[in-house]
Amino acid sequence: GENVEQHPSTLSVQEGDSAVIKCTYSDSASNYFPWYKQELGKGPQLIIDIRSNVGEKKDQRIAVTLNKTAKHFSLHITETQPEDSAVYFCAASKGSQGNLIFGKGTKLSVKP
Amino acid sequence: DSGVTQTPKHLITATGQRVTLRCSPRSGDLSVYWYQQSLDQGLQFLIHYYNGEERAKGNILERFSAQQFPDLHSELNLSSLELGDSALYFCASSVDRVFLGQETQYFGPGTRLLVL
Repeated sequence: GENVEQHPSTLSVQEGDSAVIKCTYSDSASNYFPWYKQELGKGPQLIIDIRSNVGEKKDQRIAVTLNKTAKHFSLHITETQPEDSAVYFCAASKGSQGNLIFGKGTKLSVKP
Repeated sequence: DSGVTQTPKHLITATGQRVTLRCSPRSGDLSVYWYQQSLDQGLQFLIHYYNGEERAKGNILERFSAQQFPDLHSELNLSSLELGDSALYFCASSVDRVFLGQETQYFGPGTRLLVL
């Protein structure tokens, strides 16, 4: 079955710096890749997603890139702010199966 | 607020007991997914219901079962509880009007289960 690896497990940056989180997936049939942010005591919240027919997607300070050949995708957060501090999860799914396979998460700390 | 509601927020029970977790999806969403989040296993898919029918099963134990009712709310039943079942349980919903997958899943706030 699908396996999603996520790195790093923890990331600490200074406010204003950029943060990059990387994920690799094993099943070449996967075609949907969302990123979720989870704050303490809350459920995961979608921040951006990308489908396999697109190589890059941006939404203000957040961008995701997808390399289908290498089977990896990355989350880029620019101009980080303290409120970006949270746990970030990448996930993958196949069109025929809607369930998400999650990476283990990255705890991002943004220091003021 | 995702629009997905889950009750109860917290649940404390004893080993061997049975509990029911409830999820109300966003208005109009036909799919409900259940996930378990634990420190050692991370976020794991349990089961998916689409418009009342079971669609897919993941790493769901035989002691666990779920159903989706005509009004589209869903319940996850956990029986013969063990200490290791202590975890956060999330449901997520998505519209999936023409089921193609790849629809955004909106997560509820979760139910924190503690088995003593």
